[in-house]
Formats: sequence, structure tokens, C-alpha cells
Amino acid sequence: DSGVTQTPKHLITATGQRVTLRCSPRSGDLSVYWYQQSLDQGLQFLIHYYNGEERAKGNILERFSAQQFPDLHSELNLSSLELGDSALYFCASSVVGSGDTQYFGPGTRLTVL
Amino acid sequence: GQNIDQPTEMTATEGAIVQINCTYQTSGFNGLFWYQQHAGEAPTFLSYNVLDGLEEKGRFSSFLSRSKGYSYLLLKELQMKDSASYLCALSGGGADGLTFGKGTHLIIQP
Repeated sequence: DSGVTQTPKHLITATGQRVTLRCSPRSGDLSVYWYQQSLDQGLQFLIHYYNGEERAKGNILERFSAQQFPDLHSELNLSSLELGDSALYFCASSVVGSGDTQYFGPGTRLTVL
Repeated sequence: GQNIDQPTEMTATEGAIVQINCTYQTSGFNGLFWYQQHAGEAPTFLSYNVLDGLEEKGRFSSFLSRSKGYSYLLLKELQMKDSASYLCALSGGGADGLTFGKGTHLIIQP
């Protein structure tokens, strides 16, 4: 158990819908990262938040957005969902940022039908 | 950008030793991570190399050569539970999140 929690574990929805994934980092960690893992692309970095502020964006679509709240939990919002958005979504946390070990949550499996 | 190559799949025997290689091309990076991932589960941290050389941690060791753009993960006394994917990842170098290779799927046979 990494200490990072994610909800829900599974999510099934239809094309065009919007969903919110939630992540709570390990106690004391200020950074939250979101990653998408699909069979053909592997693990892809989406976005990084540090202490409530957006720090960097990776391969994140404009239909996706995220935020980090004062209690440091983070939410990833996915809208206008397409079949290709079906994937495992992981969040990871680290103490500060780049160079620190990232600890991954159990993931949310999103299925878009 | 950063590019990471790993073999797609390897097979080894229980009790043996296996070496999983990772080569990369990048203009710069802070360090190199190895993670283990069982199917459908979270990646779990195995090792982190910043300097050239070997880092040993129980049955797992990881090596880095910056000049050669090369790393490997060495697993000794293989157990059936070591059947998993092993992911090589770079940190830093202008990329904020980790840049992962596609992973090596290791199959352990009795």
C-alpha cells in the first residue's frame, strides 16, 4: 500500500459524458501527478500540481482538466468522453517534485462505451 | 524530447537471474527510475539511479551509465511473484513528470 488513494476504482460511462476522478496523496506529500495508461501508449504523464498550483502539463487533452485543493487532494475532470479515453488513470504523489520518488495510487479504470 | 527503449517481453526460470535493459536518448535528465507493475495494478517503486554505477537493494540491483545512455535492472533468485512488467523511467530533463518506457513483460517459468 503506497498511501495514495484513488476513487472510484472502476467507472463505466458513455461517449460525450463527463467524469471526475479523485486522488488523495500520501501524508506530507505536496505534489500530485496524473498519468494515463492505455495498452498502446504505455504510461503517459498528464499534469502536475504542487501545493495547489499547476506546475506542468504533459500530454493532456484540452477536454481534460485538473485541480488540487487546499487539503492537497486532487481531481481530474474528463469531459466530452470518447471511446479512446478508455484507460487506467493513475495519480502519484511525491514530497516536492522532479527527482523525488513518485508513489502511485491503485488507479481508476475508465471504460467509455 | 526523450525516448526510452526496453525489450517487450522476456522469459526466465524460477531461481535464476535476469537482466532487463533500458536504453534512452535524451538531452538531459535528473535520474532514472525502475518500477514494477503487475497487470491492472499500480506501479511500485524499485530503484532510483542518479550517479553512474550499481545500486543494490536485496534481490534487485540497478545500474546506470550516463555516457552510454544505458541502464539495467538485475533480478536475482527469481520467484514466481516476480512475473510482472518492469518500467524504466526518466525524471527531469525539461520534462516535469516521469517519462516511461513501454515496459518489459517478464514471465517466470517453474
